[in-house]
Amino acid sequence: AQTVTQSQPEMSVQEAETVTLSCTYDTSESDYYLFWYKQPPSRQMILVIRQEAYKQQNATENRFSVNFQKAAKSFSLKISDSQLGDAAMYFCATSRTGTYKYIFGTGTRLKVLA
Amino acid sequence: GAVVSQHPSRVICKSGTSVKIECRSLDFQATTMFWYRQFPKQSLMLMATSNEGSKATYEQGVEKDKFLINHASLTLSTLTVTSAHPEDSSFYICSARGPGQGTTEAFFGQGTRLTVV
Repeated sequence: AQTVTQSQPEMSVQEAETVTLSCTYDTSESDYYLFWYKQPPSRQMILVIRQEAYKQQNATENRFSVNFQKAAKSFSLKISDSQLGDAAMYFCATSRTGTYKYIFGTGTRLKVLA
Repeated sequence: GAVVSQHPSRVICKSGTSVKIECRSLDFQATTMFWYRQFPKQSLMLMATSNEGSKATYEQGVEKDKFLINHASLTLSTLTVTSAHPEDSSFYICSARGPGQGTTEAFFGQGTRLTVV
């Protein structure tokens, strides 16, 4: 079975500052993906970043980067130069490679303070 | 890029009636789609996997007779909530496997807010 845990229900960050959202997971799969999704008030799920578990190099997408610690089953998201538009719910998720079925964490609500 | 659209975005129905939610892949064919349910301030929970031309696969604890899924074409999956009750009120989101051999992610619809009164 796969589980995803997000221990921070809510986080705040000052505009232009950096924030890190935590995520730990448990899986018995050998091939899997990890994702961070953003869900703004519109409720549309927006992919922020993905990481293939077999890759040691941490994924980066512009201001977004991850710290993937496979042995510790940790997958944190760092947002640099936070912007007001980053305010949203952030969900960490995992999926066994090839299934496209996602197991989501409980989410972290990010507030960006002007 | 791959676009998944849900309809309607909001629906209100009376208790005891059935309501159908559509999930369409607009610019690609989706042999597999997924239905999730999201309660207020909670996570998305996978309900079922919808396979084109075959029966849906339901997650443990999901009533298949309550939540009917039909995937009759390569671009459309429907979720019918039968004999809806207020506890079925929720946000329902579909996703579809992205197009192409090398796809690594699923694409999500914009969701449907169901309110049963």
